Amino acid sequence: DGGITQSPKYLFRKEGQNVTLSCEQNLNHDAMYWYRQDPGQGLRLIYYSQIVNDFQKGDIAEGYSVSREKKESFPLTVTSAQKNPTAFYLCASSKSSGVGEETQYFGPGTRLLVL
Amino acid sequence: AQKVTQAQTEISVVEKEDVTLDCVYETRDTTYYLFWYKQPPSGELVFLIRRNSFDEQNEISGRYSWNFQKSTSSFNFTITASQVVDSAVYFCALSGGNNAGNMLTFGGGTRLMVKP
Repeated sequence: DGGITQSPKYLFRKEGQNVTLSCEQNLNHDAMYWYRQDPGQGLRLIYYSQIVNDFQKGDIAEGYSVSREKKESFPLTVTSAQKNPTAFYLCASSKSSGVGEETQYFGPGTRLLVL
Repeated sequence: AQKVTQAQTEISVVEKEDVTLDCVYETRDTTYYLFWYKQPPSGELVFLIRRNSFDEQNEISGRYSWNFQKSTSSFNFTITASQVVDSAVYFCALSGGNNAGNMLTFGGGTRLMVKP
């Protein structure tokens, strides 16, 4: 079954702690994305990657970091510098990053809560 | 800058009613792409449709239909004979043709509640 998996489903972070959210896809897509969704709001782009070993900041990259060492994996680290990390995090992928026409497909999301 | 506005934050209908979700967009790109996604309570975004800016034909898929009007910068979504399973948050999104990186700009979403 082709798709995008995210883990864990729920994640709890203590003050000052870095946490990493996993995103894996087996769709053979080149591009991957991380979005943040706050309650009652739309999605905002954190980071995206068009190819392996390359990634770009989105609209709200501060306090986050990513890596893209493998085509199928794009983990997101929420660092202690992110002062308000409680949100729903969604990972997406698309065939390529092209010129805007590629459809992005989404994973099931990770809900991050601060203790 | 691109912008997507979904003015209806919440809509409540009774099952079997028709309902239209509005989407208005702003872009300076001459080529662009519009999307609708459904977010059920589970949280995952489900892709519904993609429309190119140069194709203004309306589209129908079962009970779903989309009305794209460039003249009013709108891409509205209609559900005919709504069902309880249609209850979800629906997002309209925009991607520009000159947009390196395929980045989507999302509207704020419309929560649709279909009551039995």
